Amino acid sequence: NAGVTQTPKFQVLKTGQSMTLQCAQDMNHEYMSWYRQDPGMGLRLIHYSVGAGITDQGEVPNGYNVSRSTTEDFPLRLLSAAPSQTSVYFCASSLAESSYTEQFFGPGTRLTVL
Amino acid sequence: QKEVEQDPGPLSVPEGAIVSLNCTYSNSAFQYFMWYRQYSRKGPELLMYTYSSGNKEDGRFTAQVDKSSKYISLFIRDSQPSDSATYLCAPWGAMDSNYQLIWGAGTKLIIKP
Repeated sequence: NAGVTQTPKFQVLKTGQSMTLQCAQDMNHEYMSWYRQDPGMGLRLIHYSVGAGITDQGEVPNGYNVSRSTTEDFPLRLLSAAPSQTSVYFCASSLAESSYTEQFFGPGTRLTVL
Repeated sequence: QKEVEQDPGPLSVPEGAIVSLNCTYSNSAFQYFMWYRQYSRKGPELLMYTYSSGNKEDGRFTAQVDKSSKYISLFIRDSQPSDSATYLCAPWGAMDSNYQLIWGAGTKLIIKP
């Protein structure tokens, strides 16, 4: 049981480049989400999904796209990277739709945009 | 004003000390109060949670919520070097006609052997 896995662990992009951050979970969780974590700020929700085929925006969705074609996978796409997107990105999953239930986090992806 | 405030620290204490970590929040509609622990370069993990006001104990850890003053505390007894981490408080409840989990920025704790 690997839990929540994320790839890559580190990434450096140039402004304007696009990329996809991968997230997968093997716990059969319906609810998955993407957060970014910046120094001095709490985790901020980018996008979330309550099941395959259903996604919605969080607090800071601009510049990011998501899709959920399977229960297991929830990739995050950066359309045109900007220095303001330099951050640590965490994917999380939980059993239920309600975000008060325990969320299981991946190890994170450290992204630098030059 | 931020929805959830935490002193970022670092808070440095000797091994064996009692640690008190605190959060304040502004939204009286919050119902669940979570504490997550995050080790360096790792994802957060749930430590414990409480529902509404009161205390909850789990081993060396006690979570306390005072809804009247909108104050959340986490106490660690007999602190160990392995407790060195960042502690994130995260209240959950109704905000802007949605139920949301709101994260504090975290307090960095260092336990000195």
